Amino acid sequence: AQSVAQPEDQVNVAEGNPLTVKCTYSVSGNPYLFWYVQYPNRGLQFLLKYITGDNLVKGSYGFEAEFNKSQTSFHLKKPSALVSDSALYFCAVIRTDKLIFGTGTRLQVFP
Amino acid sequence: KAGVTQTPRYLIKTRGQQVTLSCSPISGHRSVSWYQQTPGQGLQFLFEYFSETQRNKGNFPGRFSGRQFSNSRSEMNVSTLELGDSALYLCASSLAGTLSGNTIYFGEGSWLTVV
Repeated sequence: AQSVAQPEDQVNVAEGNPLTVKCTYSVSGNPYLFWYVQYPNRGLQFLLKYITGDNLVKGSYGFEAEFNKSQTSFHLKKPSALVSDSALYFCAVIRTDKLIFGTGTRLQVFP
Repeated sequence: KAGVTQTPRYLIKTRGQQVTLSCSPISGHRSVSWYQQTPGQGLQFLFEYFSETQRNKGNFPGRFSGRQFSNSRSEMNVSTLELGDSALYLCASSLAGTLSGNTIYFGEGSWLTVV
């Protein structure tokens, strides 16, 4: 069963505009949720995580994510996109003691 | 401090051969896990080691194996390579695995091409 879904294969946004990359989850209980970014030919870089507490999580490079239990979502956001933010973004959830990843969303920021 | 280090970064092997990939976790981290990334299957969990013991295993055939040494360094081995084993293999380290939501850090990966 799919534990985490990223409904958009690609998101396009103009530089300077706000960006949102969507993620929904389907695990029971209190989920541990993560966002990672992957640049071309590189590994995964940790951006942020939600464990418990404040629903708004702040992470690296100006990114933040909002945990919404009623909508089972954990969308990644940034107020002002940079061209250098263009990359592949993965949402992940911990299930059965391992990270389960979404299919990834390619973010393209146009100058 | 140094991040997760994986070697080699790139390698090409022939079908039927075997390969060993190495991973050095972040200093102090005792959990090492391995993931396979392919365009078709995405990111899939292979196995996790903690204190030299395999603690969790994904749904991969027995040709995929691993081990962890007393200094937490880990190796994974793939025997009798198949074309479908071509992938990016990612090593990840954390203090104690997924317990309590430990942050899991990834290395740059080892690109394996099987020809």
